[in-house]
Amino acid sequence: DQQVKQNSPSLSVQEGRISILNCDYTNSMFDYFLWYKKYPAEGPTFLISISSIKDKNEDGRFTVFLNKSAKHLSLHIVPSQPGDSAVYFCAASSSPQGGSEKLVFGKGTKLTVNP
Amino acid sequence: NAGVTQTPKFQVLKTGQSMTLQCAQDMNHEYMSWYRQDPGMGLRLIHYSVGAGITDQGEVPNGYNVSRSTTEDFPLRLLSAAPSQTSVYFCASSYSPSRTEKLFFGSGTQLSVL
Repeated sequence: DQQVKQNSPSLSVQEGRISILNCDYTNSMFDYFLWYKKYPAEGPTFLISISSIKDKNEDGRFTVFLNKSAKHLSLHIVPSQPGDSAVYFCAASSSPQGGSEKLVFGKGTKLTVNP
Repeated sequence: NAGVTQTPKFQVLKTGQSMTLQCAQDMNHEYMSWYRQDPGMGLRLIHYSVGAGITDQGEVPNGYNVSRSTTEDFPLRLLSAAPSQTSVYFCASSYSPSRTEKLFFGSGTQLSVL
């Protein structure tokens, strides 16, 4: 039973345009969400996070939106750059279930930004 | 600053062999963990540790052992390798076990079991 779903295995956008990566979750107890970025042959690196008390969090070109009623979050990258080409993982956790050991990851979406 | 260092980067084993994947961090992080990543799947937690001398099982612990004798090191032992353990393994650490702490990952070990 997949609790965190990234239904698009891949996404291709043009440089300068917006990239929108989606993530859906089924566990209504999830209240903290993170995005990690992974380049080939490297480990994932933290990108941005959001708590359920907010519906938006921004960090430079990256914005994460959270829609609790729809159990959906999205990562917006504006403008997209070729260096953003990577696999993006969505992850979620719920407060009553503990710490980082309870983090649930999605399968990832491979973003390709074409020059 | 090295961060999280994993060795080796690549390894090929025969079924039944044992080996240890090394992980070391120089950030004085309390929390350390091991994940595996398989094609078409998210990261799955194998084992984790909230401090020296304390370890616990994650989602997929079977066939693996861990120990945490120092804050810096968290080796992962494969007891008797099986083809199902062919995967990419990532070690990760964070300042504390808190779920709001970002994880720092090593660059991974690609393991093939024949």
